[in-house]
Amino acid sequence: KAGVTQTPRYLIKTRGQQVTLSCSPISGHRSVSWYQQTPGQGLQFLFEYFSETQRNKGNFPGRFSGRQFSNSRSEMNVSTLELGDSALYLCASSFETDEQYFGPGTRLTVT
Amino acid sequence: AQKVTQAQTEISVVEKEDVTLDCVYETRDTTYYLFWYKQPPSGELVFLIRRNSFDEQNEISGRYSWNFQKSTSSFNFTITASQVVDSAVYFCVYNFNKFYFGSGTKLNVKP
Repeated sequence: KAGVTQTPRYLIKTRGQQVTLSCSPISGHRSVSWYQQTPGQGLQFLFEYFSETQRNKGNFPGRFSGRQFSNSRSEMNVSTLELGDSALYLCASSFETDEQYFGPGTRLTVT
Repeated sequence: AQKVTQAQTEISVVEKEDVTLDCVYETRDTTYYLFWYKQPPSGELVFLIRRNSFDEQNEISGRYSWNFQKSTSSFNFTITASQVVDSAVYFCVYNFNKFYFGSGTKLNVKP
């Protein structure tokens, strides 16, 4: 099976812009979770989607949103980018509540 | 609230030494899952093991072994005869509805 794929792998944006990141889960996996990883805060959970519904949400402002499509692919959107949003954004997929399999991440730099 | 503590921020060992990575968690849940993930320098998180709260059997997989003790809320990870390729950041993860990552332990294995 192909692993979790994330696009793009690298992104540079300017403060105030918005960005959309994409994640394609492993075939058959219905749960997709998003995480933000920074040197200061570590790995923080953003949200999880399961069968097109947001099932869980972390403690991030409303500028961070996501959605999941019927084919389980997911997108994450960050509006009004801030310098502090610079991070590695990781997507993970799982079948149910099983172990998560992570993608390579999208490195977002906000200037 | 659930919390995962990995008190060891960074550990350095010489190749062939044994090393134990500590993980302590806090919870009021009776049913939960615990995981270990490895994040090598390439950045992609790799699943190592999953344990549910009812299974306190220790597990050995090659040079890796895990000691789960519910009485002390610990889930420690031991690498026997460490190798340079084991150099990575290791995360202990708690799961009940959401995934909670510890801050990670960076393991440096020197030749």
